[in-house]
Amino acid sequence: QITLKESGPTVVKPTQTLTLTCTFSGFSLRTSGVGVGWIRLTPEKALEWLAVIYWNDDAFYSPSVNTSLTISKDTSGNRVVLTLTNIDPADTGTYFCAHTARIYDRVSGTYRPRNFDQWGQGTVVTVSS
Amino acid sequence: DIQLTQSPSFLSASIGDRVTITCRASQGIGNYLAWYLQKPGKAPKLLIYGASTLEPGVPARFSGSGSGTEFTLTINGLQPEDFATYSCQHLDTNTYPFGQGTKLDIK
Repeated sequence: QITLKESGPTVVKPTQTLTLTCTFSGFSLRTSGVGVGWIRLTPEKALEWLAVIYWNDDAFYSPSVNTSLTISKDTSGNRVVLTLTNIDPADTGTYFCAHTARIYDRVSGTYRPRNFDQWGQGTVVTVSS
Repeated sequence: DIQLTQSPSFLSASIGDRVTITCRASQGIGNYLAWYLQKPGKAPKLLIYGASTLEPGVPARFSGSGSGTEFTLTINGLQPEDFATYSCQHLDTNTYPFGQGTKLDIK
């Protein structure tokens, strides 16, 4: 059974650095194709994909997010960390991490995930002075 | 960047109704689209991927269709637990944008 759990501060001041941790079980980031992504739910109730990291250290980031993002993994500890630098009130929201798996798609000749199939419960972050 | 636009943004319906939500992509995306359901305070739940493949365990009243730039999520026979927000997501090679969401509430 795959489980994920997000943790981090609930309130952060603007311009500070926010560090969020995703601790997971039921799968390994040493397994080929496996990835963990971060997604947030904005106050307007829209989901926004932020970043993903895969078993081979490939990392991708949303081109639409203005805040500087860094994603990293701790393979031995089954954790993925997302850092948001110089955070802004617009970064307020609920942050989720989710499991995904990248596979070879013969139609497009590329590697890509089909979905994010298992999610954590989320952690609420408020950016305010 | 590919943009996904859902319509409508808000939808009111009754128990037993058939509803359809549309997701339009700014350019062709094949069938690389997933649909999620989300309730307040809960994690999003995967419903459909590959535009039309039902995730195991998801009731058969949910269905997805479409390819290229236009996709639909249909719920046949709304149940009380279906009132939620629905979001589409494009699964590209290195970006995975979402639509803005459609809130479905009880009429």
